[in-house]
Amino acid sequence: EVQLVESGGGLAKPGESLRLACAGAGFSFSGAWMNWVRQAPGKGLEWIGRIKSKRDGETIDDAAPVRGRFIISRDDSRSTLYLQMSGLETEDTAIYYCTTGVTGTSHDGYWGQGTLVTVSS
Amino acid sequence: DIQMTQSPSSLSASVGDRVTITCRASQGIRSDLSWYEQKPGKAPQRLIYGASILHRGVPSRFSGSGYGTEFSLTISSLQPEDFATYFCLQHNSFPFTFGQGTKLEIK
Repeated sequence: EVQLVESGGGLAKPGESLRLACAGAGFSFSGAWMNWVRQAPGKGLEWIGRIKSKRDGETIDDAAPVRGRFIISRDDSRSTLYLQMSGLETEDTAIYYCTTGVTGTSHDGYWGQGTLVTVSS
Repeated sequence: DIQMTQSPSSLSASVGDRVTITCRASQGIRSDLSWYEQKPGKAPQRLIYGASILHRGVPSRFSGSGYGTEFSLTISSLQPEDFATYFCLQHNSFPFTFGQGTKLEIK
């Protein structure tokens, strides 16, 4: 069974940094393309970015609102996905989810429970 | 960015009803669309991928259709556990974008 567990959320002040982690289990993490998605309070879902597998070049694609501030990375030896967030803004307040890929492989289509990030002075 | 317009935003229905939710893309996305179900406090669960392919373990009362710009999710006979929020996701081009969601409530 695919399991994704996010951690690292919490309260930060504007301008500060946080690093989120997402531990994967129950599938071949190293072969999975992974995503980060967020949902601000009372708002819709927003895709943040995707990192391909190392085998596929570990290419990263990300969304304009976070480009240059958020960095996606992965440590396949730990089966863990990361989101390094810097220069946090109040608009970054959201639940952050990690997800597996969007295609039809056996490990695609799964989401973690999310971790809440609150940015407030 | 591709805009995904989902309708309706909310829907009241009864157990046993047949309901359909639609997503319209602002430009063609082939069949690069998934549907998800989300219950309060829970992780979203994928129902459909490739516009019409049932995710493993999802009941057959769920079905998806469409290609290009018009897509739909149909629940053939609502069950009590189906009252939730549903949303679509296009992954044809970056940035991936979501529909605004449909909250399905008990009538």
